[in-house]
Amino acid sequence: DAKTTQPNSMESNEEEPVHLPCNHSTISGTDYIHWYRQLPSQGPEYVIHGLTSNVNNRMASLAIAEDRKSSTLILHRATLRDAAVYYCILRDFRSYNTDKLIFGTGTRLQVFP
Amino acid sequence: EPEVTQTPSHQVTQMGQEVILRCVPISNHLYFYWYRQILGQKVEFLVSFYNNEISEKSEIFDDQFSVERPDGSNFTLKIRSTKLEDSAMYFCASRGLAGQETQYFGPGTRLLVL
Repeated sequence: DAKTTQPNSMESNEEEPVHLPCNHSTISGTDYIHWYRQLPSQGPEYVIHGLTSNVNNRMASLAIAEDRKSSTLILHRATLRDAAVYYCILRDFRSYNTDKLIFGTGTRLQVFP
Repeated sequence: EPEVTQTPSHQVTQMGQEVILRCVPISNHLYFYWYRQILGQKVEFLVSFYNNEISEKSEIFDDQFSVERPDGSNFTLKIRSTKLEDSAMYFCASRGLAGQETQYFGPGTRLLVL
């Protein structure tokens, strides 16, 4: 699986937008870009995923660069509950039976009131 | 909303003892996983399971580990003879049909080996 690079930590104030970057310069054409997050003392939680086009759901937006070598997870209005470690993970959509998620160290997001 | 559940939430055991960690995946899901996270470290893949057999396993998943889906609802991870270094959070996850990308994780079992 291709490697991703994320900043170790970021900070935000409550109710402000947060842009979490991820670089994946060696991404292949069949890699989905997934974002998961892990709140303190909890299991990972799916946030969003995409392939080429930008994606929106109730939790966040995913902006994917035209060359797909980077992406940005956007939290439109951060809340205290969004304080978590955010993981950007690539997964080849061809591999349905060998589809492990490979977690890196992620970005620890702190949200201040 | 359906969710993955895991029992127990915490388990303390003596080195060399067998432990069984239990998971109830989301009911119509077909793909099942175990991950672990040693305190302060990354989440690590252990094993994936589909169609009643192991699809893939990591180097961590040695002969001391086994998985089973004994009935239509439970998915278990057994560690035959626990070691101190098995102390970790163990997360179960499940995924629906092929083409459905999302893995849904349980809250984890914290295993402490003394």
